[in-house]
Amino acid sequence: QKEVEQDPGPLSVPEGAIVSLNCTYSNSAFQYFMWYRQYSRKGPELLMYTYSSGNKEDGRFTAQVDKSSKYISLFIRDSQPSDSATYLCAMRRTSGSRLTFGEGTQLTVNP
Amino acid sequence: GAVVSQHPSWVICKSGTSVKIECRSLDFQATTMFWYRQFPKQSLMLMATSNEGSKATYEQGVEKDKFLINHASLTLSTLTVTSAHPEDSSFYICSARALAGGGETQYFGPGTRLLVL
Repeated sequence: QKEVEQDPGPLSVPEGAIVSLNCTYSNSAFQYFMWYRQYSRKGPELLMYTYSSGNKEDGRFTAQVDKSSKYISLFIRDSQPSDSATYLCAMRRTSGSRLTFGEGTQLTVNP
Repeated sequence: GAVVSQHPSWVICKSGTSVKIECRSLDFQATTMFWYRQFPKQSLMLMATSNEGSKATYEQGVEKDKFLINHASLTLSTLTVTSAHPEDSSFYICSARALAGGGETQYFGPGTRLLVL
């Protein structure tokens, strides 16, 4: 079993839709959670960074962490065609430890 | 956010040659940098962790003599693919650890696409 599970999709939504992306994990020691966006043939770009449980909002993006359920989510409001990319969740146990990535979800927002 | 650059962005080489990829943190110092490899439609695979001034730590299955890593300064790490072969063709991405929002996180470079003929 993988430490981090993420549905690879593909996920296709109309422009303006609310997108929900999720990851589950098995290691309860994970404390730091990140979401990266990766456009085709580009490096991952950090979108959201959260520590422990709770919500964090940045513009159209909201990240949620539920450590009791070992479940993290990324919500994208008013999705745009420019949001079309692969979204990777990542997490680590402590400061200085390596990142563990999900497989990535491929998202397409159709105009 | 912090900026990490990579050079070159893509390279085509003949089998048997060596290729050097540079990774630079442009606006911060990075004591730790990481090298990843990514195949199409797959997630990132960590190859090695590079600490400034010391030897890199390689992941299991990664040949350290084939993938030479040097982290000579707090802003520069290099990956040299020695005697490259077609199976080394891949997307290589570096990442640098930086302090952010009271904690630390990793910022990624734009990647280098290597094609070995």
